[in-house]
Amino acid sequence: EAQVTQNPRYLITVTGKKLTVTCSQNMNHEYMSWYRQDPGLGLRQIYYSMNVEVTDKGDVPEGYKVSRKEKRNFPLILESPSPNQTSLYFCASSSRARAGRNEQYFGPGTRLTVT
Amino acid sequence: GENVEQHPSTLSVQEGDSAVIKCTYSDSASNYFPWYKQELGKRPQLIIDIRSNVGEKKDQRIAVTLNKTAKHFSLHITETQPEDSAVYFCAATPLGGANNLFFGTGTRLTVIP
Repeated sequence: EAQVTQNPRYLITVTGKKLTVTCSQNMNHEYMSWYRQDPGLGLRQIYYSMNVEVTDKGDVPEGYKVSRKEKRNFPLILESPSPNQTSLYFCASSSRARAGRNEQYFGPGTRLTVT
Repeated sequence: GENVEQHPSTLSVQEGDSAVIKCTYSDSASNYFPWYKQELGKRPQLIIDIRSNVGEKKDQRIAVTLNKTAKHFSLHITETQPEDSAVYFCAATPLGGANNLFFGTGTRLTVIP
């Protein structure tokens, strides 16, 4: 089954404790992206990757890191989480091969609470 | 970068009525406009999209219209049903903007039985 998976789905942590949210897709997609969703603000892009070893900042990259060592995986790293990073996080992927259609497939989401 | 505005933020309609959600975008180079539906506690899922060389697209009860000159696009849902209740997001992708989607802030649609 074609899918995007994220782990963990729920996480409660404390300020300053490094954490990683994993994202994996099995569709051989070149493009992957991380979003955060906050009430009234919609989905805002954190980082994206066009392919292996190619990453770039989105609209709200401060406090986050990513890596793309393999095509299927795109982990999101919070080196020193702060309460303002409490949010719902979505990973998404899409193919660049389908010209004219850039549907993004979203993972199930990770709800992060930083106390 | 692209800025997408979406209205209204909340919308309540009686079952069977129509619902319209409107979005505007700022970058005239944007050429792809998808709409995503997010049910409570679920992930966003694509329901319909339109490219800039098309003015209207329909898929059963949903349709999207695009006015490139005015830089706005709209989602129309006819004969609404309770299962249409969800948050709807519009988005835009600028030409040359990789696959990056710039989302609106969402519309919470409630269909009252």
